[in-house]
Amino acid sequence: DQQVKQNSPSLSVQEGRISILNCDYTNSMFDYFLWYKKYPAEGPTFLISISSIKDKNEDGRFTVFLNKSAKHLSLHIVPSQPGDSAVYFCAAEHNAGNMLTFGGGTRLMVKP
Amino acid sequence: GAGVSQSPSNKVTEKGKDVELRCDPISGHTALYWYRQSLGQGLEFLIYFQGNSAPDKSGLPSDRFSAERTGGSVSTLTIQRTQQEDSAVYLCASSPGTALNSPLHFGNGTRLTVT
Repeated sequence: DQQVKQNSPSLSVQEGRISILNCDYTNSMFDYFLWYKKYPAEGPTFLISISSIKDKNEDGRFTVFLNKSAKHLSLHIVPSQPGDSAVYFCAAEHNAGNMLTFGGGTRLMVKP
Repeated sequence: GAGVSQSPSNKVTEKGKDVELRCDPISGHTALYWYRQSLGQGLEFLIYFQGNSAPDKSGLPSDRFSAERTGGSVSTLTIQRTQQEDSAVYLCASSPGTALNSPLHFGNGTRLTVT
């Protein structure tokens, strides 16, 4: 069973506009959430995270929102840039666990 | 280099052969993870090491898969009698610890193709 789901396999956005990537989870034990970004032929790199005690975390152009009651989080990128084109993975973990559970990824394409 | 290093970067093998994939974590990182990404799929957890011990092997898909870590550093993932469904990118990651707020640092992966 997929505990972390990214239902949109791809997203296309115009440069300068907002990109919104969504992620849903089912395990209520998850209490820490992360977004990773992956370019082709490279490993994923950490982007931004949020603890379950918060509902928003912002870092420059990137903001992650967490809605615990809906078991939903989203990553906003504003303004989007062509260099943001990559696959974005949502991941979750819980304090009693030892590993991250990843979603299937969303491929973001930012068009100039 | 300062990052996680994996070798080989690409491996093509015939069905039934054994393969070994190597991971050099970041120096000082005690936790080491193996994940794999099959075509069009997300990252699937395989195994986790804390030091040299593997408290969580729950993700290994079959007994053909094994992994070890020596000296708290280098890890080797071995796949015996490879099958075509083993074709994937195998990713290694390390982190300073297993507590929350320790993001994983990934290597570039080994792309395994079983023909």
